[in-house]
Amino acid sequence: EAGVTQFPSHSVIEKGQTVTLRCDPISGHDNLYWYRRVMGKEIKFLLHFVKESKQDESGMPNNRFLAERTGGTYSTLKVQPAELEDSGVYFCASSLGLWSSYNSPLHFGNGTRLTVT
Amino acid sequence: EDKVVQSPLSLVVHEGDTVTLNCSYEVTNFRSLLWYKQEKKAPTFLFMLTSSGIEKKSGRLSSILDKKELFSILNITATQTGDSAIYLCAVTQGGSEKLVFGKGTKLTVNP
Repeated sequence: EAGVTQFPSHSVIEKGQTVTLRCDPISGHDNLYWYRRVMGKEIKFLLHFVKESKQDESGMPNNRFLAERTGGTYSTLKVQPAELEDSGVYFCASSLGLWSSYNSPLHFGNGTRLTVT
Repeated sequence: EDKVVQSPLSLVVHEGDTVTLNCSYEVTNFRSLLWYKQEKKAPTFLFMLTSSGIEKKSGRLSSILDKKELFSILNITATQTGDSAIYLCAVTQGGSEKLVFGKGTKLTVNP
């Protein structure tokens, strides 16, 4: 079984540019999560999809961030325009059902390291 | 504000040593506590704890939760260089699927 896959693994862009991160969850997983780790800080929740619907987007930092999951398969996270403070590692995770209800752990991807210069 | 505090933030030991990593939390409506190991890339799951006083064990790793004192420890005995990683503690709250993470403990095991 393929794991959670994220593209690209590393992206370097200039302030003001646009970047799109992609996450392919484990096949059949309805639940998809985005997290972010900014240098020196904790990993923080961004949002949660159930299929194509946003279940919880309370962690999205501002309206420069747009997450989509058309068709309920892969998801994209677009940052437009990027700012210096957006630099960090963006993780995606997926689960078959509501992982907490099944007491089963989330499966994380390797992350995308975003550097904004 | 909900928070998870891990200590120490970094630790350097020699192979064969035993280490104890700490995680304390202050969150509303606590449901569970999880430990993850992050080597180079994806965090990988170690333990999920929901009940106080019940030790979870996997090989040389073990963990226990104290819901009265609001903390958990992760023990690693007879450490090996392959144990070098960042160990992450996270908690969940009732009614939410999100994980609230601590900053992690960076463990370095030298040969």
